[in-house]
Amino acid sequence: NAGVMQNPRHLVRRRGQEARLRCSPVKGHSHVYWYRQLPEEGLKFMVYLQKENIIDESGMPKERFSAEFPKEGPSILRIQQVVRGDSAAYFCASSPEMNTEAFFGQGTRLTVV
Amino acid sequence: QQQVKQSPQSLIVQKGGISIINCAYENTAFDYFPWYQQFPGKGPALLIAIRPDVSEKKEGRFTISFNKSAKQFSLHIMDSQPGDSATYFCAAQPSGSRLTFGEGTQLTVNP
Repeated sequence: NAGVMQNPRHLVRRRGQEARLRCSPVKGHSHVYWYRQLPEEGLKFMVYLQKENIIDESGMPKERFSAEFPKEGPSILRIQQVVRGDSAAYFCASSPEMNTEAFFGQGTRLTVV
Repeated sequence: QQQVKQSPQSLIVQKGGISIINCAYENTAFDYFPWYQQFPGKGPALLIAIRPDVSEKKEGRFTISFNKSAKQFSLHIMDSQPGDSATYFCAAQPSGSRLTFGEGTQLTVNP
């Protein structure tokens, strides 16, 4: 029974490059959430998606950031033209329905150099 | 209104003692309150959760106490062990929306 799988675990990008973070939810889960965590800080909500739909993107910067959860395949968080301030751990969580247990992946640690 | 305030920021407890972490919220639409445990370099792991129709939930050494009128909930860790040393996050979620997290409590249990 695989949990939430995120890859890559570590990602290094130079300023101006693109970062693509992937999240495969628990099998059968149709709700995906992305959170960002800076060192020694809490989890900040970015975006909530259900299959093929963005439900809430109020925590995601309007520029450079986008997310999708296609009918087939993993959810993707895409950061274009990365800057040093994008360096953080990005966590994905999934749940089978709204307001049920959400399970987190191990995160992708993005470092922008 | 979406905020969840967590305290203390850090906590040091002796082995065998009780660890208590508190959270408060404003949004009365919140109806699901989980606690997560996070070890360094790992993702948050769901520890225990409660809904507002009960005032207390216990699972092993972990207990959530919930006070709906005060809009507060707390995590109690009985017989704390060094292996419990981690960061603990409370969270709250309204129906149809996403989890909002507290800022976290770094717990250290000394042997």
